[in-house]
Amino acid sequence: DAGVIQSPRHEVTEMGQEVTLRCKPISGHNSLFWYRQTMMRGLELLIYFNNNVPIDDSGMPEDRFSAKMPNASFSTLKIQPSEPRDSAVYFCASSSLGRGVPNTGELFFGEGSRLTVL
Amino acid sequence: GNSVTQMEGPVTLSEEAFLTINCTYTATGYPSLFWYVQYPGEGLQLLLKATKADDKGSNKGFEATYRKETTSFHLEKGSVQVSDSAVYFCALRGTYKYIFGTGTRLKVLA
Repeated sequence: DAGVIQSPRHEVTEMGQEVTLRCKPISGHNSLFWYRQTMMRGLELLIYFNNNVPIDDSGMPEDRFSAKMPNASFSTLKIQPSEPRDSAVYFCASSSLGRGVPNTGELFFGEGSRLTVL
Repeated sequence: GNSVTQMEGPVTLSEEAFLTINCTYTATGYPSLFWYVQYPGEGLQLLLKATKADDKGSNKGFEATYRKETTSFHLEKGSVQVSDSAVYFCALRGTYKYIFGTGTRLKVLA
């Protein structure tokens, strides 16, 4: 079975441009997480979706960041306008959580999207 | 709130040395505990887990025991290999939120 698929793997853009990162979770998983990883701050949870509904977006840094999950097999994280301090590796992860769902407890990560904003 | 504290790296060892990476946690209730490993250029992947007190998780020669009395989940391996060089993350999961430690970089020298 395919794992979590993210695209693009690498993105270099200029300050002020819009950036869209994409994620396809593992089929059958009902929970999706977006994380940001930097040397300074480590791994930060940005937003959590359960059954396509945003449950916790308290980690989204500011209004420039938005995330959507239009269906169970696709999510996007958008930054508009991008700034140099947004440079990081963005990870998408999925899991199966919640009542009535087989719960392995494991979080499955994609390979990440490395974003560089010049 | 929930939190995870793990020893800072980097940790540099010779091949076949004994490894310990300390991890302690603060949590309400009884969280599940995990160790994840990240190899260069890759995402995190589960190394082992424990879901209740006194459980021992193990995989690929690594072990960690869920110690409720000391709120710890230390990672150990009896004999490390060069291929174990990576960043190791301790994590806990409460209701749904996974809290990760800052990561410990391990470098194993031949």
